[in-house]
Amino acid sequence: GENVEQHPSTLSVQEGDSAVIKCTYSDSASNYFPWYKQELGKGPQLIIDIRSNVGEKKDQRIAVTLNKTAKHFSLHITETQPEDSAVYFCAAQWPYDYKLSFGAGTTVTVRA
Amino acid sequence: DAGVIQSPRHEVTEMGQEVTLRCKPISGHDYLFWYRQTMMRGLELLIYFNNNVPIDDSGMPEDRFSAKMPNASFSTLKIQPSEPRDSAVYFCASSALQGGGTTNEKLFFGSGTQLSVL
Repeated sequence: GENVEQHPSTLSVQEGDSAVIKCTYSDSASNYFPWYKQELGKGPQLIIDIRSNVGEKKDQRIAVTLNKTAKHFSLHITETQPEDSAVYFCAAQWPYDYKLSFGAGTTVTVRA
Repeated sequence: DAGVIQSPRHEVTEMGQEVTLRCKPISGHDYLFWYRQTMMRGLELLIYFNNNVPIDDSGMPEDRFSAKMPNASFSTLKIQPSEPRDSAVYFCASSALQGGGTTNEKLFFGSGTQLSVL
C-alpha cells in the first residue's frame, strides 16, 4: 500500500504570510493527491486536489505542486488569514483501489 | 443536500458495552468509507463499501468491529465488546465515481462520532 509522510506537524505563521506544507509518497503508481482541511469539531473537507499528469494547480490563495520524480507534493497558502487556522491533511491514492492514504496532518495556526 | 450525516455526535460508554455508530451518505453516492482518527495513528481507513457491498475490510482492527450497509442510504459500524483503546473519532465518508472514470475522488466526510470508552 501507499505510505504518505507529511511535514511539518505544526506550523505557526503571521497573518498575511505564506504557509507551506510538504508531503512525500512511496508508490510511484499513485496518481491522485488531494488536500483536506479539518476545522475543530468537523470532518475533513477537500480544499484542492491534483492529478499526476499536472504539475501545479491554483485556486485563489491556495496552490498545490507535484514533483512526480521526487514523489513529493506541497500545499501553498498565500496571504494567510485567521480562518486558515486548521489541521491540513495530504493524501495519495493508488489507481488500483479506491483507498486514500493520509498523511499525519499539519496544525496551522495563523497569528493575528 | 445535507451532506453525510452521522449519529450520535458523542458516545460515552463503559468497557464491554456494545456501540453502534450510524451513517447516512450523500444521496447518489455509491461509495461509503469508515475512518477512525486518533492522535497516535491519524486517519485510518477501516472499511469501504461499493453499492452496499463491502469491498475491503483489511483496516478493521479486530473481530470486535463489524460494519454493515443494508441499503444505499444507511450504514452502521458496530463495536462489541468495546474497549478503552477504541476511543477515537469515527468518520463516515461517501463518494461517487467522477465522470465514469476509474478513480474515486472528492470524499465528503461527516462530522464524526466522538467515542469514549471508559
